[in-house]
Amino acid sequence: GQNIDQPTEMTATEGAIVQINCTYQTSGFNGLFWYQQHAGEAPTFLSYNVLDGLEEKGRFSSFLSRSKGYSYLLLKELQMKDSASYLCAVRDPTGGFKTIFGAGTRLFVKA
Amino acid sequence: DAGITQSPRHKVTETGTPVTLRCHQTENHRYMYWYRQDPGHGLRLIHYSYGVKDTDKGEVSDGYSVSRSKTEDFLLTLESATSSQTSVYFCAISESSGTTDTQYFGPGTRLTVL
Repeated sequence: GQNIDQPTEMTATEGAIVQINCTYQTSGFNGLFWYQQHAGEAPTFLSYNVLDGLEEKGRFSSFLSRSKGYSYLLLKELQMKDSASYLCAVRDPTGGFKTIFGAGTRLFVKA
Repeated sequence: DAGITQSPRHKVTETGTPVTLRCHQTENHRYMYWYRQDPGHGLRLIHYSYGVKDTDKGEVSDGYSVSRSKTEDFLLTLESATSSQTSVYFCAISESSGTTDTQYFGPGTRLTVL
């Protein structure tokens, strides 16, 4: 079956580092996305990993291990504006060009 | 800004009435998607399109139909709205080339079925 798991909620302190994990089991795999979604807004694209390893983009980094079905999003130097939901999603090419989303992780950044 | 608009942005309707939501893109992307987002469920795919007149079902397609007569427009129709279809609906477009891929979302439509 298709399954994407990520923690429901996390809390971290301003200025700290937080790692949000995602594990997936899908019929096929053609890349993994991370999105940020503030309350009441549309998701916005953060990263895309199709090969194993770490992709760094400013304060945000994303890691992928295809053999383990595992990814994480690393947020450094946390700011209050990083309080949002973070969505992990997998591109599954079997049966069409679809993306399967996890339920999201709500991150609360406290002062 | 990926040039995606949705209309209407908010709608309240009654059970049993037909409803059509519109997604419009200005980027000429091939793939377009309709999702619904509900608390605890994340984003779930309703239907998607891979070209003009080419559409396919997603995981929660019952009670919904779609049409794409032009590249830029993707319509989602609820034939007879039910209270379980109260949700936030997002349209998305997909851009893929080589090892890069992304999906841009429209601003969303909040639909309430009374």
